[in-house]
Amino acid sequence: GQQVMQIPQYQHVQEGEDFTTYCNSSTTLSNIQWYKQRPGGHPVFLIQLVKSGEVKKQKRLTFQFGEAKKNSSLHITATQTTDVGTYFCAGRDSWGKLQFGAGTQVVVTP
Amino acid sequence: DSGVTQTPKHLITATGQRVTLRCSPRSGDLSVYWYQQSLDQGLQFLIQYYNGEERAKGNILERFSAQQFPDLHSELNLSSLELGDSALYFCASSPRGLAGRTGELFFGEGSRLTVL
Repeated sequence: GQQVMQIPQYQHVQEGEDFTTYCNSSTTLSNIQWYKQRPGGHPVFLIQLVKSGEVKKQKRLTFQFGEAKKNSSLHITATQTTDVGTYFCAGRDSWGKLQFGAGTQVVVTP
Repeated sequence: DSGVTQTPKHLITATGQRVTLRCSPRSGDLSVYWYQQSLDQGLQFLIQYYNGEERAKGNILERFSAQQFPDLHSELNLSSLELGDSALYFCASSPRGLAGRTGELFFGEGSRLTVL
């Protein structure tokens, strides 16, 4: 079955630095979504990518969907303490089933 | 506030017991999803309902069952509870649930179950 893998599992970042988290699917996706879960909170939708090679930006966050629609990345520039949390990608296959990755837990050191 | 309501927020019970978690989706959303999140773990998909009918099944144990009622609220029933069932159970709703359609999920705040 479809598997969605995220790396790294943990990311320790110094405030002000950039980092990237990656999401890879074993199958071609119809679209991919990204969610953020703050500590003690619930996942909150960030963005959805649909087209091959699509790039979307939200302030300091840049999301990319691979050309083959099997991988995606989230790049955060100038990390702030408000970026703390776990970032999940979720890939939707051609049958409509949404599969979440295990998440990247981000810790920011001031 | 996502508009998805889950009750109870916290629940403490003993092994072997049975509990029911309730979810009210956002107004107008036809799809309801249930996820289990153990400590520092990812989101394990349990089951999805669309307009009252089971749409997809994930890693849901036989001891667990769910249903979606005509008013679209959903309940997740967990029986013969074990220590390992302690987790945060999230409900999410989405306006679309058909294969091939897209739709973001709106998550509730979760029900934290502790089995002692």
